Amino acid sequence: DAKTTQPTSMDCAEGRAANLPCNHSTISGNEYVYWYRQIHSQGPQYIIHGLKNNETNEMASLIITEDRKSSTLILPHATLRDTAVYYCIAHSGGSNYKLTFGKGTLLTVNP
Amino acid sequence: GAVVSQHPSWVICKSGTSVKIECRSLDFQATTMFWYRQFPKQSLMLMATSNEGSKATYEQGVEKDKFLINHASLTLSTLTVTSAHPEDSSFYICSARRSGRGGRLHGNQKMNTEAFFGQGTRLTVV
Repeated sequence: DAKTTQPTSMDCAEGRAANLPCNHSTISGNEYVYWYRQIHSQGPQYIIHGLKNNETNEMASLIITEDRKSSTLILPHATLRDTAVYYCIAHSGGSNYKLTFGKGTLLTVNP
Repeated sequence: GAVVSQHPSWVICKSGTSVKIECRSLDFQATTMFWYRQFPKQSLMLMATSNEGSKATYEQGVEKDKFLINHASLTLSTLTVTSAHPEDSSFYICSARRSGRGGRLHGNQKMNTEAFFGQGTRLTVV
């Protein structure tokens, strides 16, 4: 899996958009970008993933740069319940599928 | 999304005893399940990958005789911590990935399938 780099922590005001960056400059052509989050003392929760096109679902949007070397997870209207550690993972999937977690970004949503 | 259920959510056991943790995929079949361990203020560390009907593949440094994994069906995997010691106290999390050829269609792009996680089991060995 390609190495990913994320800021250690970020703050966001409640109701505002939270933009979480991830750098994956060594990502290979067949590697997807996955985002998970982990609320304290719970298992990780899948958010979104993509290969090269931008993706959107009911939780978030994923913006991947054209060169695929970085991406941004956008929570359009952050709430206090979005406070969590967010993990960005680059992974090719397939028969060797296994997700390796880095340190992630602790997002704190403030009232 | 798909549901993965882990049981128990917490357990306290005496040193030297064994503890079994169950991981079930409730609404999908999972050819592959994963077991992670997470110590306080650290990230998840993959312990092993288990494939239905075959032996688990353990990550480097994980003792296979201490952490017994059984994946007898497409919806159930178990992790048994044998002869538990206080240093085994941790948060254990399982994950499951859908079976099949994988890749649901999204527009013109075939998406790789995602993994879903259980809620975790807090093990405390006293």
